[in-house]
Amino acid sequence: GAGVSQSPSNKVTEKGKDVELRCDPISGHTALYWYRQRLGQGLEFLIYFQGNSAPDKSGLPSDRFSAERTGESVSTLTIQRTQQEDSAVYLCASSLFAKDEQFFGPGTRLTVL
Amino acid sequence: DAKTTQPPSMDCAEGRAANLPCNHSTISGNEYVYWYRQIHSQGPQYIIHGLKNNETNEMASLIITEDRKSSTLILPHATLRDTAVYYCIGTNAGGTSYGKLTFGQGTILTVHP
Repeated sequence: GAGVSQSPSNKVTEKGKDVELRCDPISGHTALYWYRQRLGQGLEFLIYFQGNSAPDKSGLPSDRFSAERTGESVSTLTIQRTQQEDSAVYLCASSLFAKDEQFFGPGTRLTVL
Repeated sequence: DAKTTQPPSMDCAEGRAANLPCNHSTISGNEYVYWYRQIHSQGPQYIIHGLKNNETNEMASLIITEDRKSSTLILPHATLRDTAVYYCIGTNAGGTSYGKLTFGQGTILTVHP
């Protein structure tokens, strides 16, 4: 079956522009997560959605970052007024329920010039 | 979530068992130990998880000490394709952050011929 997909796979933008990253989780998965991975670093948790509960936004680094999820399907991560330090690979993962194994997408590589 | 400590790197000969240690001395009674790995340029991949009993699946075995302060991931017959960064994660099993993963630096496992 289809895994987690993310688009675009690569995004190059200029400092100050807004970007939208998309994640399509595995169908039926109730939990969805966004992570960020800077070059040579481990993954940083950003935000977590579980069903209709309020999302856990505790990992968002600033108010320039926001994310939405439509029901139990697609999620978009929006970064406003991008900065060079936002350059990273943004990974999305989904799981059937919160305690289950997470399946990761291939990531979106964001480069802010 | 429990802080985990792993050696930064390990080597293993192809065909031999790879034993990757993890210390999680602050783990609480309801926190699971999860292992993921990340092969270069790919998203992380779930390997195994456990609470207090030893676990085995088609990929690996997880041995958790009786006091739960440390664990060992065992890849019984390492292959070159097992070369990756291995992450040991203690995760909150309750509350609104159930399932949220906090990735550390992990162990770079290099399997050589």
